[in-house]
Amino acid sequence: DAGVIQSPRHEVTEMGQEVTLRCKPISGHNSLFWYRQTMMRGLELLIYFNNNVPIDDSGMPEDRFSAKMPNASFSTLKIQPSEPRDSAVYFCASSLAPSGYEQYFGPGTRLTVT
Amino acid sequence: AQSVAQPEDQVNVAEGNPLTVKCTYSVSGNPYLFWYVQYPNRGLQFLLKYITGDNLVKGSYGFEAEFNKSQTSFHLKKPSALVSDSALYFCASPGNTGKLIFGQGTTLQVKP
Repeated sequence: DAGVIQSPRHEVTEMGQEVTLRCKPISGHNSLFWYRQTMMRGLELLIYFNNNVPIDDSGMPEDRFSAKMPNASFSTLKIQPSEPRDSAVYFCASSLAPSGYEQYFGPGTRLTVT
Repeated sequence: AQSVAQPEDQVNVAEGNPLTVKCTYSVSGNPYLFWYVQYPNRGLQFLLKYITGDNLVKGSYGFEAEFNKSQTSFHLKKPSALVSDSALYFCASPGNTGKLIFGQGTTLQVKP
């Protein structure tokens, strides 16, 4: 298996622009997680899906952030409009179930908003 | 509140020496506990987990962890450290909502 796939690996954009991050989970995994990692705040869970349904989005910072999972093999995290404080590494992870199973992380998308 | 704590920001050890990275937890019920490793510019990689059973869990790359219920700890260990083990290590446990609670991470530095 190719593992969790994320694209793009790097994104540089200007403040105010829309940013879309993409994730393809491991085939057969039912749960998908979006995390953000910064030096200041560490690793934060933004949202997770189970069977394509959003279960907990309490970590989404504000309305500028939205996430979708239209099918079992694809998810997007969108930031509109982007701000410099959104600069971070965004990780997608998948697992067989939300709890009790290990999560497999993608390589991350390094987002820089200028 | 449920939490996972890693009391050391950084652990330094000489190559060939044993290493320990500490983790304590405060979760309700029987805990599931995980260790992950993150190499520079990479995503987290699963190392090992405790669900139930034997208190000593063996994982990838020669790592093991000991579950201690009385001390609410799940320390990561390796008998002989390698320079290539230098990385950021995270302990984690699912809270009662199911989502993983991560410790703040411990940087392991193995010097040759």
